[in-house]
Amino acid sequence: GNSVTQMEGPVTLSEEAFLTINCTYTATGYPSLFWYVQYPGEGLQLLLKATKADDKGSNKGFEATYRKETTSFHLEKGSVQVSDSAVYFCALAHSSASKIIFGSGTRLSIRP
Amino acid sequence: SAVISQKPSRDICQRGTSLTIQCQVDSQVTMMFWYRQQPGQSLTLIATANQGSEATYESGFVIDKFPISRPNLTFSTLTVSNMSPEDSSIYLCSAGGQGTTGELFFGEGSRLTVL
Repeated sequence: GNSVTQMEGPVTLSEEAFLTINCTYTATGYPSLFWYVQYPGEGLQLLLKATKADDKGSNKGFEATYRKETTSFHLEKGSVQVSDSAVYFCALAHSSASKIIFGSGTRLSIRP
Repeated sequence: SAVISQKPSRDICQRGTSLTIQCQVDSQVTMMFWYRQQPGQSLTLIATANQGSEATYESGFVIDKFPISRPNLTFSTLTVSNMSPEDSSIYLCSAGGQGTTGELFFGEGSRLTVL
């Protein structure tokens, strides 16, 4: 079946460090891939998405590239800020009318 | 995009009681789902709320425990029945569908604590 595996946390970095959170998936066909973010005390928000191979999703300085050959969708940011501290979820969906399957989440803490 | 409102936002309940969570979307959406997020865990799909018919439940979830209604395209309810402390969790309503590329929009969740 479909599944998402992401890097276990927690991840702690200093401000302005480079961030990578790994995500790989198992799915048939060509799913859409997402990164969602959950800030402390808030609901889940879509951070970025990619709907086909080699697409790059980007938002708020974060990027992720849909790599079909490695079935990966790693999240990167060149210089993190304290305000990026949150839980990040990698996820996939098979169509525009399909349920979304989430990874286990990675808690990111950025120290000043 | 869609704005999703859930209520209650939080509640403390006694063992053996039931609680109904309401979810209102500000626009007509094709799909509505209910997820559970247990403390420190990821999101687990409970069921797909189907408009005008019975919900489609995921493995491990049953209608008797989590009855769901969806009378129209913008509203759904989830009831957590005969609660036990193991049901303490955040319950999230989500919506999406036509006009999107698969992403879902989420409410802020209903945090239930069962004593």
